[in-house]
Amino acid sequence: EAQVTQNPRYLITVTGKKLTVTCSQNMNHEYMSWYRQDPGLGLRQIYYSMNVEVTDKGDVPEGYKVSRKEKRNFPLILESPSPNQTSLYFCASSLIIGTHPNEQFFGPGTRLTVL
Amino acid sequence: KQEVTQIPAALSVPEGENLVLNCSFTDSAIYNLQWFRQDPGKGLTSLLLIQSSQREQTSGRLNASLDKSSGRSTLYIAASQPGDSATYLCAVVNYGGATNKLIFGTGTLLAVQP
Repeated sequence: EAQVTQNPRYLITVTGKKLTVTCSQNMNHEYMSWYRQDPGLGLRQIYYSMNVEVTDKGDVPEGYKVSRKEKRNFPLILESPSPNQTSLYFCASSLIIGTHPNEQFFGPGTRLTVL
Repeated sequence: KQEVTQIPAALSVPEGENLVLNCSFTDSAIYNLQWFRQDPGKGLTSLLLIQSSQREQTSGRLNASLDKSSGRSTLYIAASQPGDSATYLCAVVNYGGATNKLIFGTGTLLAVQP
């Protein structure tokens, strides 16, 4: 089944404890990205990647890191989480048509709480 | 800077009614526009994707149109059903300035009453 998977689905942690949220897709998509969703603020893009070893900042990259060492995986790293990073996180992927991303497929989400 | 707005923020309709959801964007330099639905606490499900060169796309009871010159897209849902109740989101990909970013609208929360 074609899908985007995220792990963990739920995570409660404490301020400053490094964590990684994994994202994997099995559709051979070039484009992958991370979003956070907050009440009243909607969905905002954190980072995106056009291909292996190619990443770029979205609208809210502060406090996050990403890496793209393999085409199928795009982990989101919080080196020192803070309470304002409590949010619902989504990973998504798509083909690139020409030079831009096409139809986006989303993972199920990761609900992160930072105490 | 691209801004995407969806009006209304919430909508309640009786079952069977045809309805239109709106998506407006400030910068017409877009590659494509995509409509999604999101059920409470769940991920986003892609409904329709319209490329910048297209005027509309259809899937079942759904029809999405795109008018780049006016910065608008509409999602038409025919013969609404309670199962259509969800939040509907639109998103654009720019080719001017902030390329290859997805910028989401604020969403419309739809409730279809049986």
